[in-house]
Amino acid sequence: AQSVTQLGSHVSVSEGALVLLRCNYSSSVPPYLFWYVQYPNQGLQLLLKYTTGATLVKGINGFEAEFKKSETSFHLTKPSAHMSDAAEYFCAVTYTGTASKLTFGTGTRLQVTL
Amino acid sequence: GAVVSQHPSWVICKSGTSVKIECRSLDFQATTMFWYRQFPKQSLMLMATSNEGSKATYEQGVEKDKFLINHASLTLSTLTVTSAHPEDSSFYICSAVPPAHYEQYFGPGTRLTVT
Repeated sequence: AQSVTQLGSHVSVSEGALVLLRCNYSSSVPPYLFWYVQYPNQGLQLLLKYTTGATLVKGINGFEAEFKKSETSFHLTKPSAHMSDAAEYFCAVTYTGTASKLTFGTGTRLQVTL
Repeated sequence: GAVVSQHPSWVICKSGTSVKIECRSLDFQATTMFWYRQFPKQSLMLMATSNEGSKATYEQGVEKDKFLINHASLTLSTLTVTSAHPEDSSFYICSAVPPAHYEQYFGPGTRLTVT
């Protein structure tokens, strides 16, 4: 069975500061990992994904994440937070053979302050 | 590319009535679509997996007679909430997957309020 843990349901950073959102996964087979962002009353927007190959993945809006198999982690980072980054972020995992069924983490709400 | 739409974006209905939500893949064919439910400040909960031309597979605890899913074509899946009650009020999100793909493309969601 696969699972995703997002540490910190609420993260607050100052504008211009580093953003670090944590995601750990559990999977018995190589995972496909995703980060999504959700703004209020909207659907999910894909930020980035890891399938195979390079473990450092760059996404939209300056976000990136690194797949670390030894740590079973896929943390999301951004060097400098912007007010527009305030949103809910979800980490998700799937693997081949599941008909793309995603398992989501509980989400992390990012607050950006002046 | 890979755009998914939902209609309506929000709906208010009276208790006891039924409401239908449509999910369409606009620029690709989707053999598989998923329906999720999201409560305020919570994560997405998978309700069911919809495969074109076959019956939907419901997750444990989801009432299949209450949440009717039909995937009649490769670009359209519908979720009908039958005999809606206030506790069915929620944000419903669909996603679609092209053939031989693993990535889900999400719709913008539908806000259902049952009064």
